[in-house]
Amino acid sequence: KNQVEQSPQSLIILEGKNCTLQCNYTVSPFSNLRWYKQDTGRGPVSLTIMTFSENTKSNGRYTATLDADTKQSSLHITASQLSDSASYICVLDNYGQNFVFGPGTRLSVLP
Amino acid sequence: DSGVTQTPKHLITATGQRVTLRCSPRSGDLSVYWYQQSLDQGLQFLIQYYNGEERAKGNILERFSAQQFPDLHSELNLSSLELGDSALYFCASSVQGGVNTEAFFGQGTRLTVV
Repeated sequence: KNQVEQSPQSLIILEGKNCTLQCNYTVSPFSNLRWYKQDTGRGPVSLTIMTFSENTKSNGRYTATLDADTKQSSLHITASQLSDSASYICVLDNYGQNFVFGPGTRLSVLP
Repeated sequence: DSGVTQTPKHLITATGQRVTLRCSPRSGDLSVYWYQQSLDQGLQFLIQYYNGEERAKGNILERFSAQQFPDLHSELNLSSLELGDSALYFCASSVQGGVNTEAFFGQGTRLTVV
């Protein structure tokens, strides 16, 4: 069983709509949970970093939440743009000793 | 542009060969991370160096090795290459490499083993 699972695997939405991506994890303990955006063939770009004690972190139109009790995190994207089309990856950082990546959600924003 | 430079961008080599991937971190960053991204396994953490010393090790094969030099650039050496080693190899750097430190990724080296 993967330590970090993401859903949905892929998602198609229309420009301007909101969407929420999910991340479920079993990694424990961990120091922080990160969300990355990765355009095809390019390096990931950090969106948010939340420590295990934080519940929410925003970066512009991106808002990440963390529920340590249910071991779930979500990334909410508001007013989507065509440039949001990318893979979104959830990562658990085990105090810098290891980084466990989720498989990603592939988001396509259509005009 | 993240400021992290990886060379080469593309590399094609035969099975059994050895290659070296190079990473120059952002100016001022002391920590370098290496990751492998293959189609069937997603991103995997390989190894981290901080100021020349190995700090953390992930799923790195014994055929792979890395080092960080005094000028802080890093190299990832892949030997006895197999078809399954074909992947994108990313390097990332951060200021200190401690917990909660943001890491900046390079554009990757695409390795194809034929």
